[in-house]
Amino acid sequence: EVVLTQSPPTLSLSPGDRATLSCRASESVGTYLGWYQQRPGQAPRLLIYEASNRATGIPTRFSGSGSGTDFTLTISSLEPEDFAVYYCQQRSRWPRTFGRGTKVAIK
Amino acid sequence: EVQLLESGGGLVQPGGSLRLSCGVSGFTLSSRSMSWVRQAPGKGLEWVSAISGSDGSTYYADSVKGRFTISRDNSKNTLYLQMNSLRVEDTAVYYCAKGGDYEYWGQGSLVTVSS
Repeated sequence: EVVLTQSPPTLSLSPGDRATLSCRASESVGTYLGWYQQRPGQAPRLLIYEASNRATGIPTRFSGSGSGTDFTLTISSLEPEDFAVYYCQQRSRWPRTFGRGTKVAIK
Repeated sequence: EVQLLESGGGLVQPGGSLRLSCGVSGFTLSSRSMSWVRQAPGKGLEWVSAISGSDGSTYYADSVKGRFTISRDNSKNTLYLQMNSLRVEDTAVYYCAKGGDYEYWGQGSLVTVSS
């Protein structure tokens, strides 16, 4: 199966900072990679699909890039509601797999 | 408006069975792939199963293969997950999600496997 490695596990930042989250795949997934945000007690929410496309209603401060095995989610300027856990997921191969998540915490 | 609503969770003993339901509205169930994703307490997301929108093909994680069955009833706009031979490690919140990109999620249904 495709293993997705997210780094760092935790990112401690302040509101207004830029956040850069990484997701590396054990083999190429093309651009079939998505990013999800999960706030405490809530269901996950799709942010980015196919590596770089913002989902409906997602603010422009969220952007995704990459292809093949290396992907990045960037939050240009953190808002208070952005402190959450972020997961990447590949839908290139079965079984589908998620990364273990990156927690963006308030510094 | 797209909505997904899971039900059927609860407490079950190891070796028992449970069927989760995911009622959908705002789109045609038969036209889209649907998935189940679970999250054990305090842990990350784990993909469990999917059913294709085009031909009804089904897919399973190795951890549930042979024990869980995904299905759908298009006339009832409902997705199901039949879970048999449940184990303690199946304890989790189970989410249904719409589409290949999981563009919409339900609120989740808690399944607790314990004696």
